[in-house]
Amino acid sequence: EVQLVESGGGVVQPGGSLRLSCAASGFTFDDYAMHWVRQAPGKGLEWVSLISGDGGSTYYADSVKGRFTISRDNSKNSLYLQMNSLRTEDTALYYCAKDMGEQWLVLDIWGQGTMVTVSS
Amino acid sequence: SYELTQPPSVSVSPGQTARITCSGDALPKQYAYWYQQKPGQAPVLVIYKDSERPSGIPERFSGSSSGTTVTLTISGVQAEDEADYYCQSADSSGTHLVFGGGTKLTVL
Repeated sequence: EVQLVESGGGVVQPGGSLRLSCAASGFTFDDYAMHWVRQAPGKGLEWVSLISGDGGSTYYADSVKGRFTISRDNSKNSLYLQMNSLRTEDTALYYCAKDMGEQWLVLDIWGQGTMVTVSS
Repeated sequence: SYELTQPPSVSVSPGQTARITCSGDALPKQYAYWYQQKPGQAPVLVIYKDSERPSGIPERFSGSSSGTTVTLTISGVQAEDEADYYCQSADSSGTHLVFGGGTKLTVL
């Protein structure tokens, strides 16, 4: 069974840092690009970042560029999101999602999400 | 920045046809995708490449494209189809994903 399980969310003060993880199973991890997508409470979906299957290419939404870093460890079938200089507007449920191919830019499998709350 | 525009809400009675539109300037050049999200659950892909249906998605879900507008059609709507629906595409560079604001489908 294809599965994505996120972890690492929590409560952090503005300006703080947090590292999210996503454990993948049930598919050949390095064959697929991976994404992070977030959803603020009661709001819509917002794409955050994309990383290619080999980790050589990364892309970010303007709202997080320069503050967040996406990475992956294909030997561990894991995806990460390092979030620095966090702001209250970064409060959201963060989903890890699998691309349908190598950067097809469509998300066919989603995790259940991990909640990040930025508050003083 | 690139935007996709959806109506905030659509209401239909059971058995009727629901149509949800999504407009964006780059849609003639980029595929559109549709996701269904029920309360407390992660999104589920229901249409990809404008009109393709993933395995396991009921045939009553279909997609179409015309110019700068794509449409998700749900034929013979059932109570279980009540959910938020999001369109998604990519910007002209093909490296940034964009989501529409979402449409709440209410089954009366």
